[in-house]
Amino acid sequence: KQEVTQIPAALSVPEGENLVLNCSFTDSAIYNLQWFRQDPGKGLTSLLLIQSSQREQTSGRLNASLDKSSGRSTLYIAASQPGDSATYLCAVRTGANSKLTFGKGITLSVRP
Amino acid sequence: GAVVSQHPSWVICKSGTSVKIECRSLDFQATTMFWYRQFPKQSLMLMATSNEGSKATYEQGVEKDKFLINHASLTLSTLTVTSAHPEDSSFYICSAQGTGTNSPLHFGNGTRLTVT
Repeated sequence: KQEVTQIPAALSVPEGENLVLNCSFTDSAIYNLQWFRQDPGKGLTSLLLIQSSQREQTSGRLNASLDKSSGRSTLYIAASQPGDSATYLCAVRTGANSKLTFGKGITLSVRP
Repeated sequence: GAVVSQHPSWVICKSGTSVKIECRSLDFQATTMFWYRQFPKQSLMLMATSNEGSKATYEQGVEKDKFLINHASLTLSTLTVTSAHPEDSSFYICSAQGTGTNSPLHFGNGTRLTVT
């Protein structure tokens, strides 16, 4: 059974800092991995999708990496801003038609 | 980008009544939609997978007669919570996937259900 872990559960950093959010999964045979952002009381916004054959994906100040063999992914946020404050969830899919397994998320607070 | 509209964003109902939540993909066709439930500070729990034109597939422990799912078209899926009880109070989120298996999932903004 695939399990996804995100530690720590919460993180507070000053504005401008570069930061890394970690995600680990127990079954390395994944199909793809997706990072999401969730604002309080809202749904999820897809940030980056990494296919199993890819090592990383970039979008603006965000960079997500994938290391399947070690069961890890990281989301790198450059030059963090208060507007980046949200909960970040990673989720993995083990097959093309399988469900997503989510981590519990990391609640990020960027202090002005 | 792809947009998924979920309605209503919040609803308060009395015990014993039924509530319908709609999930629409606005600018793409979604052959598959997913319904999740989220408790405070917890991850999303998949309730069921909805495929257009066929019966939904429910996850273990989810009562299909209580949570009725209909996916009548490629852009609309509905979740009806029947005979709601206070323990059904939660945040319900739908997501939709485009026709390609490598398409990312796009999520609605969720529905906060409170049963009094």
